Amino acid sequence: AQSVAQPEDQVNVAEGNPLTVKCTYSVSGNPYLFWYVQYPNRGLQFLLKYITGDNLVKGSYGFEAEFNKSQTSFHLKKPSALVSDSALYFCAVRPSSGNTPLVFGKGTRLSVIA
Amino acid sequence: GAGVSQSPSNKVTEKGKDVELRCDPISGHTALYWYRQSLGQGLEFLIYFQGNSAPDKSGLPSDRFSAERTGGSVSTLTIQRTQQEDSAVYLCASSPQGLAGGREQFFGPGTRLTVL
Repeated sequence: AQSVAQPEDQVNVAEGNPLTVKCTYSVSGNPYLFWYVQYPNRGLQFLLKYITGDNLVKGSYGFEAEFNKSQTSFHLKKPSALVSDSALYFCAVRPSSGNTPLVFGKGTRLSVIA
Repeated sequence: GAGVSQSPSNKVTEKGKDVELRCDPISGHTALYWYRQSLGQGLEFLIYFQGNSAPDKSGLPSDRFSAERTGGSVSTLTIQRTQQEDSAVYLCASSPQGLAGGREQFFGPGTRLTVL
C-alpha cells in the first residue's frame, strides 16, 4: 500500500526567503506525485505533478518540486516566499499503474511572515 | 467554467440522525471521488466512481457510510446514525477520465459536518 509522509506539521519562513515543504513517499512501482494547496475555507487547488520525464517540475504561483527516486522524496520549493503563500499544503501519491486513488499526506501548514 | 460544487457548505446534526451530502462534479468529468478531512489527519479516501464501473468502496469506514452517483453526474454521500467521530470536512473531487495518465483531481469547497 502506498503512503505519504510530511514530517513537518508547520513551516515558518520570512517573506522573501526560500521555502521548502518536505514530502517522502512509499509506493509499489513508479509513482505519480502531486502537490495541492488549501487556502482557508477553500477546497484543495492543484499546484503541480510529476508523472515522468524531467525530475524538476514547475507549477503554479512560482512553486516547483524535485522528484528524487533514490530518496523517495518530492519536496516542494519556492525561491522567494510571499505572505499570500501562507496555506495548508498536501503531498499525494499513487502508483502509475492500476486504479488506486490518490493517497494524501497529513498536510503542512506554511506561514510566511512579513 | 463552473467547478465542483458541494452542498450544504455546513451541516450540524444530532448524534444518531442521518445526513446526506451532495456533490456536483465538473460537467463531462467521468470520475468522482469522496474524501474526508479530519483535523490533523489529512485527507482520507472514502469512495471512487468511474463511469459505469462498480465503485471502489474500499475507503468507507463503516457500513453506516454509503454513496451513489445518479446518471453519471451528481453524487450523494449518506451517513446513517451519525456519530461524533463523523465530524469532519467532506470533500468531493472529479477528474476527466479517472486515474489514467496521472490526471489531477479538481476539488470542491467541502461540506463541514458537525455531529453534536
